[in-house]
Amino acid sequence: GAGVSQTPSNKVTEKGKYVELRCDPISGHTALYWYRQSLGQGPEFLIYFQGTGAADDSGLPNDRFFAVRPEGSVSTLKIQRTERGDSAVYLCASSATAQETQYFGPGTRLLVL
Amino acid sequence: AQSVTQPDIHITVSEGASLELRCNYSYGATPYLFWYVQSPGQGLQLLLKYFSGDTLVQGIKGFEAEFKRSQSSFNLRKPSVHWSDAAEYFCAVVNPSGGSNYKLTFGKGTLLTVNP
Repeated sequence: GAGVSQTPSNKVTEKGKYVELRCDPISGHTALYWYRQSLGQGPEFLIYFQGTGAADDSGLPNDRFFAVRPEGSVSTLKIQRTERGDSAVYLCASSATAQETQYFGPGTRLLVL
Repeated sequence: AQSVTQPDIHITVSEGASLELRCNYSYGATPYLFWYVQSPGQGLQLLLKYFSGDTLVQGIKGFEAEFKRSQSSFNLRKPSVHWSDAAEYFCAVVNPSGGSNYKLTFGKGTLLTVNP
């Protein structure tokens, strides 16, 4: 079956712009996660959804970052007033339940000029 | 706070040689332990995981890892490396207690180069 997909695969934007990153989880997975991977680092947790609700958004770095999952499937990570430090690979993962194996998408590489 | 250390940033081995990638964690209790592999342009793929029980865990692609409580380590091994194993490898942990038993904490990764 299809894995986790993310669009776009690459996004180049200018400082101060707004961007949206999309994640399509594996069908039927109730848990969805966003991670951020900066150059030379491992992925860092951003937010966890159980169904439609954000159960844990403790990893979001500041209020410029926001994520939604309105129908409990597709999720969108939104970044306002982008800064050069936001440049990273944004990874999405999903799992059948919160305690089960997380399956990762290929990521969206965001470059803020 | 829990942390994961992968002491080797970059390792080079010859094809057919054995491999051991090191991982140490810092946490009061035994966490859940994972190894993921990331190839260029690919998502993270789970190689193996340890929750409890037998401390030697078998994974996909011929990899295994051994949990050693006394050393707080979870090293990844493969007896004979193939050129297709060249990738970046990440060790990760989850705190099984408390309310965050879904949150993966990753090490910084070890880049594996395989020479022909």
